[in-house]
Amino acid sequence: EAGVTQSPTHLIKTRGQQATLRCSPISGHTSVYWYQQALGLGLQFLLWYDEGEERNRGNFPPRFSGRQFPNYSSELNVNALELEDSALYLCASSDGTGGPDTQYFGPGTRLTVL
Amino acid sequence: QKEVEQNSGPLSVPEGAIASLNCTYSDRVSQSFFWYRQYSGKSPELIMSIYSNGDKEDGRFTAQLNKASQYVSLLIRDSQPSDSATYLCAVKRAGTALIFGKGTTLSVSS
Repeated sequence: EAGVTQSPTHLIKTRGQQATLRCSPISGHTSVYWYQQALGLGLQFLLWYDEGEERNRGNFPPRFSGRQFPNYSSELNVNALELEDSALYLCASSDGTGGPDTQYFGPGTRLTVL
Repeated sequence: QKEVEQNSGPLSVPEGAIASLNCTYSDRVSQSFFWYRQYSGKSPELIMSIYSNGDKEDGRFTAQLNKASQYVSLLIRDSQPSDSATYLCAVKRAGTALIFGKGTTLSVSS
């Protein structure tokens, strides 16, 4: 069974540009979570999508947004990039049945903002 | 108070020893607890999940949960150099995302 996939692997942008990151969940999973892992800050929750709806968002500005498509894949958009947005962006999926809701991570997208 | 706290380490153990990793959390309504392993430059990999008080064993790994003390731990028996990584503790309550600690770096020397 294929795991969570993310694209691209690496992304280099300049300050002020927009970045789009993509995630495909494990087959049968309906929930997608996005996390940011910046150097020294640990994993920070960004956004949670389930069944096409945004369920929760972390303490990030509105220029971080996303959506979930009917096939449950998801896209994270970061507008007006700032240098501090440089980080590893991780997508995780779960089966969304509630309860323990074990999350499995994709390989991540390394975003570098110059 | 941080929501999930872990000793950042590094925790150094010799090959074959038991490594003990600890985590405390502040939210008493947390329901699910997870340990992930993360190698440098890679994404987190699920090792163990635990939901009830007590011990849960899976191969060389044992997770221990004490909800009254708001404490969860991971024991790694017969530690191997390949176990050298950062171990992330994560907690979850219903309707929320995972909340992670900053991780403990484990170094196993051969």
